[in-house]
Amino acid sequence: KQEVTQIPAALSVPEGENLVLNCSFTDSAIYNLQWFRQDPGKGLTSLLLIQSSQREQTSGRLNASLDKSSGRSTLYIAASQPGDSATYLCAVRADSSYKLIFGSGTRLLVRP
Amino acid sequence: GAVVSQHPSWVICKSGTSVKIECRSLDFQATTMFWYRQFPKQSLMLMATSNEGSKATYEQGVEKDKFLINHASLTLSTLTVTSAHPEDSSFYICSAARDEQETQYFGPGTRLLVL
Repeated sequence: KQEVTQIPAALSVPEGENLVLNCSFTDSAIYNLQWFRQDPGKGLTSLLLIQSSQREQTSGRLNASLDKSSGRSTLYIAASQPGDSATYLCAVRADSSYKLIFGSGTRLLVRP
Repeated sequence: GAVVSQHPSWVICKSGTSVKIECRSLDFQATTMFWYRQFPKQSLMLMATSNEGSKATYEQGVEKDKFLINHASLTLSTLTVTSAHPEDSSFYICSAARDEQETQYFGPGTRLLVL
């Protein structure tokens, strides 16, 4: 059974810092991995999607990497801003299923 | 991009009543819609998958008689929480996909509070 873990559960950094969020999964037979942002009381915004054949994806100040063999993904946020404060969720879709398995998220606070 | 809406955005009801939540794909036809539940500071848990015109597939531990799902058209799925109790209070999020193999697009969520 696929399990997705995110570390740390919460993170507080001063504005301008570069930071890394971690996501690990137990079954490497994945179809893709997706990073989402969730603001308090809101739905999910898709940030980056990495197919199983890819190693990384970039969008603006965000860079996501994927290492299938070790069951890990990282989300790198450069030059963090207060507006980046949110919960970041990673979700894995298995090879054999259309279902998304979510991690419990990392709550990020970027202090001005 | 693909837009998914939910209605209502929040609802407060008395224990024992039923509540219906709508999920609509606004600019595409969604063969498949998914319903998730999220407790405070926890992740999303898939409740059920609905395909247009057929019965929903429920995840283990989710009571199908309590959480009624109807996906009568390619743009609308509804989740009805029957005889709601305080423990049903949660954030309910739907997602929609052109088919179950495609990318899911998420709605803004519905917060349910049962008194």
